Amino acid sequence: QIQLVQSGPELKKPGESVKISCKASGYTFTDYAMHWVKQAPGKGLKWMGWINTYTGKPTYADDFKGRFVFSLEASASTANLQISNLKNEDTATYFCARLTSDFDYWGQGVMVTVSS
Amino acid sequence: DIVLTQAPLSVSVTPGESASISCRSSKSLLSSKGITSLYWYLQRPGKSPQLLIYQMSNLASGVPDRFSSSGSETDFTLKISKVETEDVGVYYCGHRLEYPPTFGGGTKLELK
Repeated sequence: QIQLVQSGPELKKPGESVKISCKASGYTFTDYAMHWVKQAPGKGLKWMGWINTYTGKPTYADDFKGRFVFSLEASASTANLQISNLKNEDTATYFCARLTSDFDYWGQGVMVTVSS
Repeated sequence: DIVLTQAPLSVSVTPGESASISCRSSKSLLSSKGITSLYWYLQRPGKSPQLLIYQMSNLASGVPDRFSSSGSETDFTLKISKVETEDVGVYYCGHRLEYPPTFGGGTKLELK
């Protein structure tokens, strides 16, 4: 069956970097884009952008340009999100998601905590 | 960006009764292909969002038919009939008409 399995929780200090992964299984990885969604504690959902898993081209929402990088390890059917120069406001759960017109698959989410 | 406004912020329902949640869009969600790009999600406590409804009124695979949705180009309603304990969580509307996709602020459904 189709699954998106994300890496484990992260505790980081301000200014550090973090890289979280999303491993897809059960389908051809390069057939579908991968999206990233942020959810701050107790808050709603915010779309961060997406990566074309065939070409590797990323597209970032305005609020996520600069410190956020989407990348792929296509041979491992894995999408990655790297956040550099972490700030307190980056504390959130980050979801990867395969979004299509009529069905979604979401990862379980990765909690990233930024605290000194 | 398109702004989606949900109401109410929270709703408390007796099991077996119905609940309705509204979502209003700042822009028409009707695409040039005649599809209304409005989606409904349920996020159960501690879980990932689950798609309930796609393109305004279509039930996603595996979702019970107690869930239904209707609306116009800018105003939408999710109805849950015969609410069950598994329906507890936060409901979000969202659109995919254009980039960026955005979500409403969420409506928390609790049981009385």
